[in-house]
Amino acid sequence: GAVVSQHPSWVICKSGTSVKIECRSLDFQATTMFWYRQFPKQSLMLMATSNEGSKATYEQGVEKDKFLINHASLTLSTLTVTSAHPEDSSFYICSARDPRVRFFSGNTIYFGEGSWLTVV
Amino acid sequence: AQTVTQSQPEMSVQEAETVTLSCTYDTSENNYYLFWYKQPPSRQMILVIRQEAYKQQNATENRFSVNFQKAAKSFSLKISDSQLGDTAMYFCAFMKPERGGGADGLTFGKGTHLIIQP
Repeated sequence: GAVVSQHPSWVICKSGTSVKIECRSLDFQATTMFWYRQFPKQSLMLMATSNEGSKATYEQGVEKDKFLINHASLTLSTLTVTSAHPEDSSFYICSARDPRVRFFSGNTIYFGEGSWLTVV
Repeated sequence: AQTVTQSQPEMSVQEAETVTLSCTYDTSENNYYLFWYKQPPSRQMILVIRQEAYKQQNATENRFSVNFQKAAKSFSLKISDSQLGDTAMYFCAFMKPERGGGADGLTFGKGTHLIIQP
């Protein structure tokens, strides 16, 4: 079946540096990918919608200059946390929909394995 | 904007029992999709069941079934014959229908931590 893969699974970075997380659709082309953030023992919050070949759409309250999203190809979206601070430490998850499958005919939303970011 | 509410932060039942997780939502949309996701300690999101709002029949997937009450904006999940492997966080989620071929992200509830006791 369709698979969405994230890399890295774990990353530790120093405060003030930038870190990039990749989200890849492995066997389908995803024109749209989504980035979520999950704080410990909390829900997933949609951060932004990543659109291939155009600017990402950010949810209200998400700093677009801090969380840079690039969707340069139909199989890859990247989330870069710039000038990271300890409060950016969290679990980040991406998802993508397989456009080959008509939505109501079955599950078409796939989640990556997630990436743990710790800023020290 | 949509909101999804899960009022049970944690539930615990004995193995083989039946458990129901509650979820309510608020939306002005007439057509939409509802989901229950399971998140085990690995943090991988696993689709448990989904429901299209335009379908009156409640969705079922083996031991999992939903009670979808559109007028009440309620979407509860029933797990029958619960198993130890069902222990996980369960999230209720809402998605608006796609327009013009585009896709919307999911709005999640805060989750219910379900513990199945041996």
